[in-house]
Amino acid sequence: DVQLVESGGGLVQPGGSLRLSCVTSGFTFSTYAMSWVRQTPGKGLEWVSVINDSGGSIYYADSVQGRFAISRDNSKNTLYLQMNSLRAEDTAVYYCAKSFGSWGQGTLVTVSS
Amino acid sequence: EIVMTQSPATLSVSPGERATLSCRASQSVTSDLAWYQQKPGQTPRLLIHDTSTRATGIPARFSGSGSGAEFSLVISSLQSEDFAVYYCLQYNNWPWTFGQGTKVEVK
Repeated sequence: DVQLVESGGGLVQPGGSLRLSCVTSGFTFSTYAMSWVRQTPGKGLEWVSVINDSGGSIYYADSVQGRFAISRDNSKNTLYLQMNSLRAEDTAVYYCAKSFGSWGQGTLVTVSS
Repeated sequence: EIVMTQSPATLSVSPGERATLSCRASQSVTSDLAWYQQKPGQTPRLLIHDTSTRATGIPARFSGSGSGAEFSLVISSLQSEDFAVYYCLQYNNWPWTFGQGTKVEVK
């Protein structure tokens, strides 16, 4: 079975940083594009970033461009999201997604003073 | 950015009835359109990709159609477990964008 397990969320002050991780199993990680998607009650679902299988092609939503960095370690079957200069509007549940199919259970990021 | 507009916002349907959900794109997304179902407290689940291809394990009562900028999701006979929020997603152009969702509720 495909499994994606996110971690690293929590409470952080505005301007702070967090690093999310997504450990995967049950599929050949190195052959799939991977993504981060977030969900807030107010703004709904937003596709934050996507990285191709080799890590050579990356896209970011305008709302996080320059502040977030997606990366992957194919030897560890793990996806990462480094989030810097966090803002209140980044508060959301962050999901790791295999291509656009299977999603993890999410990790909550709260940006507040 | 491609804007995805779903209608209606809420659909009231009786169990056993047919439900038709619509999704319109602000420009053509060819057939790069997916549908997700989300129940309270749960992660969105992929139902349909490439406009009309059911994901693994999705019952045949779910069907997708359309092309270009107009798409539909039909649930042929609503079961109790189908009452949820449904989202469309275009993945033709970055940034990939979701619709705002249609809530299917019990009439």
